This record gives sequence, structure tokens and C-alpha cells, in this order.
Amino acid sequence: AQSVTQPDARVTVSEGASLQLRCKYSYFGTPYLFWYVQYPRQGLQLLLKYYPGDPVVQGVNGFEAEFSKSNSSFHLRKASVHWSDWAVYFCAVSIHMGYKLTFGTGTSLLVDP
Amino acid sequence: EAAVTQSPRSKVAVTGGKVTLSCHQTNNHDYMYWYRQDTGHGLRLIHYSYVADSTEKGDIPDGYKASRPSQENFSLILELASLSQTAVYFCASSDEWWGKDTQYFGPGTRLLVL
Repeated sequence: AQSVTQPDARVTVSEGASLQLRCKYSYFGTPYLFWYVQYPRQGLQLLLKYYPGDPVVQGVNGFEAEFSKSNSSFHLRKASVHWSDWAVYFCAVSIHMGYKLTFGTGTSLLVDP
Repeated sequence: EAAVTQSPRSKVAVTGGKVTLSCHQTNNHDYMYWYRQDTGHGLRLIHYSYVADSTEKGDIPDGYKASRPSQENFSLILELASLSQTAVYFCASSDEWWGKDTQYFGPGTRLLVL
């Protein structure tokens, strides 16, 4: 069965600084990978998703993520964080012909003004 | 834009009572899902459905029933609510089930069982 680990429960960055949120997945094949964002008291919204192909995926609001099969990782990055990025970020994995998403436990991003 | 709505947005229930959470989507999607969110656990799948009048168990179905009377509507039913079912519940929908499709989430329902 597939699984996802987000090792950092909370990350604090200064506004304007760069950001990396870590995600490690476990699956013997090639997975589909997603990053979702949850703003306060809202549902989850898709930031970006990866299908087999270009390992660097561009998403909304300047976010990107890079797939690494050798490291079983799908880290999320942003060059310059804005205060509006304050949210919880979830990494998720699914598999071909799979019916569900398996989520990580989430990383809370706090932005220092 | 995909649209998934949930009602109620919050609810306080008594232990042993019946609770029904409703979800409505206007995306014309075949697949619908119910998740619960708990601190430290991320989202976990309770039930899902890929066609009206049929539901399937997810990873944590115990204590929950689901109903899909139409393509647009998907309900989650707690027949005998318990304290451990206090959580935030999210409904989602997707167009396909090939694994790569985006799921669209509702705003969530905060359930407090006392």
C-alpha cells in the first residue's frame, strides 16, 4: 500500500524568504503525487500534481515541486513566500487505477511579517 | 469552477444520537468521497461512491454509513454518534478514478460530539 510522510509538522519562514516543504512517499511503482493547501477554515485546494514525465511541476501562486524517484520524494518549493501563504499543506499520493488519495499529516506554514 | 457544498458547516451532537452530514456537487462528477480530518492524522477516507445508489467502504468505515441517492448528493450518517467521532469532515468529488484526477473538496463540517 502507498503512504506519505511529511516530517515537518510546522515550518516558520520570514516573508520574502524561500520555502521548501518536505514530502516522502512509499510505493514500489511510479505514483501520482499531489500537493494540496488548506487555508484557515476552508477545504483543500489543489496546488499542483505530478504525472510521470517532467520531474519539476509548476503550480499556482509560484509554487513548484520536484519528483525524485531515487529519493522517493516530492518536495514543494517557493522562491519568495508571501503572508497569504500562511496555511496547512498536504502531500498526497495515488496510484494508477487507484480509487483514493492517501494523505500525509500536513505541514503548517507560518509566515513571519 | 468545480463546486462542492456541505451542510451543516458545524454541528454539536449528543453521544448516541444520529447525525447526518450532507454533500452536494455541481461538477457532474461520478466519484464522491467522505474524509475525516484529525490533528496528526491528515485526512482519512471513510466511504466513497462511483455511482448513484452504491457506496464503498474506505479505510475507516466503522461507525459510519453512507448514502448516494443521486449523482449530485452524498450523505454520511452516524447512527450512534460517539465522542471519538468529533472531527472535521470533508466531502470531495472527482471525474475519474484512474488515480491521477484532481479531487475537489467542500469547505468541511465541524462535528463536536458531547
